[in-house]
Amino acid sequence: QQPVQSPQAVILREGEDAVINCSSSKALYSVHWYRQKHGEAPIFLMILLKGGEQKGHDKISASFNEKKQQSSLYLTASQLSYSGTYFCGTVNPGGGADGLTFGKGTHLIIQP
Amino acid sequence: DAGITQSPRHKVTETGTPVTLRCHQTENHRYMYWYRQDPGHGLRLIHYSYGVKDTDKGEVSDGYSVSRSKTEDFLLTLESATSSQTSVYFCAISESNPSGDTGELFFGEGSRLTVL
Repeated sequence: QQPVQSPQAVILREGEDAVINCSSSKALYSVHWYRQKHGEAPIFLMILLKGGEQKGHDKISASFNEKKQQSSLYLTASQLSYSGTYFCGTVNPGGGADGLTFGKGTHLIIQP
Repeated sequence: DAGITQSPRHKVTETGTPVTLRCHQTENHRYMYWYRQDPGHGLRLIHYSYGVKDTDKGEVSDGYSVSRSKTEDFLLTLESATSSQTSVYFCAISESNPSGDTGELFFGEGSRLTVL
């Protein structure tokens, strides 16, 4: 079952902050975050492993709450280049390297 | 950038015809995946491979088959294409994390398939 992302879409002004949430009905082992621009391939932002929090790029960070089976992506002082669709991908315990289950995505639009 | 290429990048075909999409990597990564992306659904896993001749089904595998005869190539075949298989198909490669679960995915540029 796909994790649920919220919000589905958000429009911000440059310099504002955003939070994107990812929630699963299943126990999680790790969570990945990807960004995809229109017509392009998704690119990796970061991975959060059980028991840890990892900061990936610039002013983008994330948290992972194993008990709540949730992860959140934080974009601080957003830049125009942050526009795109953000996907979380989840790994369940015992899933091995059999791929990620992705959420349906959050569309982020940054306006000047 | 990870060396991963997909072919063809665009294809239009008719219902009932066979279609094969190819994914080629130069990174020698063990794991390869085929995803389809549709509006409102995000990315959904079709099949994956964990080695030469080792493949398994994902969540939307019906109507698709795969083969991996060499480390670098992973083929996705639609035996008899249907309009519901119109989609953008992404190949991805990865190595596992030290813990054994899925590591960072590197995606190809995608193959847009239209079935009329």
